[in-house]
Amino acid sequence: GAVVSQHPSRVICKSGTSVKIECRSLDFQATTMFWYRQFPKQSLMLMATSNEGSKATYEQGVEKDKFLINHASLTLSTLTVTSAHPEDSSFYICSAREGPFQGNYEQYFGPGTRLTVT
Amino acid sequence: LAKTTQPVSMDSYEGQEVNITCSHNNIATNDYITWYQQFPSQGPRFIIQGYKTKVTNEVASLFIPADRKSSTLSLPRVSLSDTAVYYCLVGEMDSNYQLIWGAGTKLIIKP
Repeated sequence: GAVVSQHPSRVICKSGTSVKIECRSLDFQATTMFWYRQFPKQSLMLMATSNEGSKATYEQGVEKDKFLINHASLTLSTLTVTSAHPEDSSFYICSAREGPFQGNYEQYFGPGTRLTVT
Repeated sequence: LAKTTQPVSMDSYEGQEVNITCSHNNIATNDYITWYQQFPSQGPRFIIQGYKTKVTNEVASLFIPADRKSSTLSLPRVSLSDTAVYYCLVGEMDSNYQLIWGAGTKLIIKP
C-alpha cells in the first residue's frame, strides 16, 4: 500500500516551453502533497506544500508564477514548470501524506521525474 | 527545525553491520527522528522513525540515547544493494510537519 506515482519519469523540453509533471497517490487519499527538487549530488529541497482544494504554499526563493502547482483532487497534484530554462533541469520528486489528517505523519514518495531543458 | 549533521560518506563490506550516526544537538522536545534511504534517480524510501531509546523493524534499528542529541541507524548484515544515500531528519510531528533534508550519508558497500 501507500504507492505514489509520477508521470513522466523523464522529460526533455526546449527552453521557453512549459512542462507538466503529475503526482498521484494510487491507493490512498492525500490531502497534502509536497514537491521537492534535487540537483545532482545534492539533497532534496522542498519547493512547496499543496493542500487539496487550496493554494500551494511556496518555500522562500521558489517562484510561484514559474512553478504552478495544482492539487485539484485527493489523489492528484500537478507541477507545471513554465517558460523552462536550462537551469530548471533537475530531479523533481513529489510526496504525499495520507488524509484527512489522523496523526499519520509519514510522507510517501514518488519515484521522481528527471527534467532536462535544452 | 533542528539541524542534523551526518558523515558525508562511509564504506563497508557485505555481511557487516553498519552504523550511521547523526547529530542533532538542538533537537526539541516534540521532535521525532526519521531516516530515509535514497538510491540514484529514485525517490526516498522511509526506513525507520523513533523518539527515544531503541526502535527496530525488519530492515534496521534506531538507537537514540537519553539526551536525544544524536541517533544511530544500524543496518545489520549489509549487502551491495544497500549502497545508497541515507538521510537523518528531525522534526515536530504535527499537521504542518515538513521534512527538511540535510546532506545525507553516502554509504558504499563493497564485495
